[in-house]
Amino acid sequence: GQNIDQPTEMTATEGAIVQINCTYQTSGFNGLFWYQQHAGEAPTFLSYNVLDGLEEKGRFSSFLSRSKGYSYLLLKELQMKDSASYLCAASNQAGTALIFGKGTTLSVSS
Amino acid sequence: DAGVIQSPRHEVTEMGQEVTLRCKPISGHNSLFWYRQTMMRGLELLIYFNNNVPIDDSGMPEDRFSAKMPNASFSTLKIQPSEPRDSAVYFCASSFWTGEDYGYTFGSGTRLTVV
Repeated sequence: GQNIDQPTEMTATEGAIVQINCTYQTSGFNGLFWYQQHAGEAPTFLSYNVLDGLEEKGRFSSFLSRSKGYSYLLLKELQMKDSASYLCAASNQAGTALIFGKGTTLSVSS
Repeated sequence: DAGVIQSPRHEVTEMGQEVTLRCKPISGHNSLFWYRQTMMRGLELLIYFNNNVPIDDSGMPEDRFSAKMPNASFSTLKIQPSEPRDSAVYFCASSFWTGEDYGYTFGSGTRLTVV
């Protein structure tokens, strides 16, 4: 079976740092994706981790530990526009479908 | 590139009617996916195709749902007959994989309301 868990909701203030955790259990594992989805819009790609470690991309960073089945998305210098749902997704094999968690709704306040 | 194109953006239909959702993937992408998103269940995979061939349709809820991909640039998801519980946002996505790089892009979705 496949299972992807992430917190349902998180809140933070502008300028702060927030870490969104994701644990996964999949039959086979190729890589871990993070997507951002604003209300009423499509998911948009943020990051893709295949190897263990931290990948930094501007204000956003993503970490993967394959041995622990664990990933996190780190958002720095939060802005109001970062209020959105953040979706963790895993792929079993390259070229196959991504399986998504239910998403973490992040609310950023001033 | 125009991205993944879905139509219609919104569809309101009466229970029992047939609904057809359409998707044009990104040119050069060899996989296409149909997802359904609801508040309760999140983003669920319905079916996906590799090189126009259906690979996994285990997520299709029941026989009322069917999907086709007659060529590399077009796919349809059909619901017949539709029911109120089918109300959701339906997303199409397409992907490519080169061995070193992997892209997975969503369309804007079709918001379906069955009354």
